[in-house]
Amino acid sequence: ELKVEQNPLFLSMQEGKNYTIYCNYSTTSDRLYWYRQDPGKSLESLFVLLSNGAVKQEGRLMASLDTKARLSTLHITAAVHDLSATYFCAVGNSGYALNFGKGTSLLVTP
Amino acid sequence: DAGVIQSPRHEVTEMGQEVTLRCKPISGHNSLFWYRQTMMRGLELLIYFNNNVPIDDSGMPEDRFSAKMPNASFSTLKIQPSEPRDSAVYFCASSVGAIEQFFGPGTRLTVL
Repeated sequence: ELKVEQNPLFLSMQEGKNYTIYCNYSTTSDRLYWYRQDPGKSLESLFVLLSNGAVKQEGRLMASLDTKARLSTLHITAAVHDLSATYFCAVGNSGYALNFGKGTSLLVTP
Repeated sequence: DAGVIQSPRHEVTEMGQEVTLRCKPISGHNSLFWYRQTMMRGLELLIYFNNNVPIDDSGMPEDRFSAKMPNASFSTLKIQPSEPRDSAVYFCASSVGAIEQFFGPGTRLTVL
């Protein structure tokens, strides 16, 4: 069974600081996704990583994938309040299914 | 594009009643997914369809749950009879094959 673990699950950080969220998964997969969810809202797709070594950046967020280590990271640079949300990683399972991590609740404070 | 459309957005019902959730995927997408989100269990895949055919329903919790996709532009998730433990946010998502899934706004279900 494919297990997806995120850490930390809760993160409070100051504006301007950098931090990394980690996503480990238990079995081989060639698809990894990062989503953002604001309270009471739906999930918004942030990044799609489809190959080992893939790195994608959008604004203050950068995601990378190491399929050999079964690890993806979401790096936050110079955090701002607008980044406060819950971030999920999801790993491709058999067929088109995705297994989601439990999410990392990020709070950026002044 | 209107995105994935779900209805109703909120549903409050009493235990034992039948509940039907509806989803219209993004036009041109050939895969459709139903997820359930709760605080305790997080996001769980219930079932997904490819080209209107159910591919994996292993996440459907029990026989009280059923899903259909009669055509490429419509799917339903039915719970009969509903129970308080079914209270959750139900998301529908669609995609083109295995590429990224786009989520609808969700239906918040409360079973009293």
